[in-house]
Amino acid sequence: GAGVSQSPSNKVTEKGKDVELRCDPISGHTALYWYRQSLGQGLEFLIYFQGNSAPDKSGLPSDRFSAERTGGSVSTLTIQRTQQEDSAVYLCASSFKGFLNGYTFGSGTRLTVV
Amino acid sequence: ILNVEQSPQSLHVQEGDSTNFTCSFPSSNFYALHWYRWETAKSPEALFVMTLNGDEKKKGRISATLNTKEGYSYLYIKGSQPEDSATYLCAFQGGSEKLVFGKGTKLTVNP
Repeated sequence: GAGVSQSPSNKVTEKGKDVELRCDPISGHTALYWYRQSLGQGLEFLIYFQGNSAPDKSGLPSDRFSAERTGGSVSTLTIQRTQQEDSAVYLCASSFKGFLNGYTFGSGTRLTVV
Repeated sequence: ILNVEQSPQSLHVQEGDSTNFTCSFPSSNFYALHWYRWETAKSPEALFVMTLNGDEKKKGRISATLNTKEGYSYLYIKGSQPEDSATYLCAFQGGSEKLVFGKGTKLTVNP
């Protein structure tokens, strides 16, 4: 596609429920990243996929968080048993390997856990 | 823990003013320094990717400099316009492909 597409743009969920956030990267971009921004904080790295390599999951804050990338394209970030501290804007980005042109970000999913 | 600091946190200027802000980052294991502009309700947009000590990049009225030895980068905006209002993020890239972001400088340009 023309840009990185994320859905939904907004999600309000009850504490304890599971949520799935979707990212559709730019066609041909081999790398895909998930970040989040909690209120008052900077962008926090969550997970990174590069081609067929094993993902770098070092930023996932707990085992309630998981992500997959199917067919080297679309990615889904799943948060199980959501907590209020999971409320944040979740951003997806993609790039070519080497990315000296920078990341291309999606417009994000604003997750609110009530 | 790798620390990327940006200052000031926020800035209000009048239309036509020139302004600048700072990003400081680790001087070791440096690969690249990225600048992004993030307007409200939009996606962060890449401005510059800088790799070489002493590098200067320019895009219209916006320019950036890089000092990798002392670990800082400056972003300059000449003749600020209301449409420059946004949060400006810098991000450090070390030995891997993931970026470590600062908290950003929120710029408001008053007409």
